[in-house]
Amino acid sequence: DAGVIQSPRHEVTEMGQEVTLRCKPISGHDYLFWYRQTMMRGLELLIYFNNNVPIDDSGMPEDRFSAKMPNASFSTLKIQPSEPRDSAVYFCASKITGDYGYTFGSGTRLTVV
Amino acid sequence: RKEVEQDPGPFNVPEGATVAFNCTYSNSASQSFFWYRQDCRKEPKLLMSVYSSGNEDGRFTAQLNRASQYISLLIRDSKLSDSATYLCVVIDTFSGSARQLTFGSGTQLTVLP
Repeated sequence: DAGVIQSPRHEVTEMGQEVTLRCKPISGHDYLFWYRQTMMRGLELLIYFNNNVPIDDSGMPEDRFSAKMPNASFSTLKIQPSEPRDSAVYFCASKITGDYGYTFGSGTRLTVV
Repeated sequence: RKEVEQDPGPFNVPEGATVAFNCTYSNSASQSFFWYRQDCRKEPKLLMSVYSSGNEDGRFTAQLNRASQYISLLIRDSKLSDSATYLCVVIDTFSGSARQLTFGSGTQLTVLP
């Protein structure tokens, strides 16, 4: 099992540019979560999907953020335009119904300059 | 008031010491409780679940007090490798469907030689 795979591991971009983060959940997992972690705010849930359908996006900070899950094996989180305050580590996690064990990817460390 | 609160630490203890962390949660309807461990610049990983009757896993003991709405983690005979941030996690479940985890901000532990 390859685990949850995120790419890229690191991203440095200039303010105003579009950033796309990618996630491949564990095969067979029907829930997918996007989290953001900063020193100030800790781990925050941005959005989660169940069977590829967005269920709760109340944590998405603003319209500059969007997430999609076109199929069971792929999800993206897009920031357009990016701002320096978006700098954080973005984690993707997945789980299967009935199991409370969430598996996190290694994260994408985003720096917006 | 935060939904899940932890003492951020840091806790600096010598090898072999016993250390305990507490965590309080605000939602009395919370159903499931966990401790996650996060190493520096890594993703959170499930350490152990917390059961109503309390449970042990080697040197680690977790306890739940529903009346006072807190959970605890006790580490005995601490090792250098225990140095990490420990995240308290709470899940609320409704109608059999799991909602997202709510993370505490974490307690940082450093075990000193």
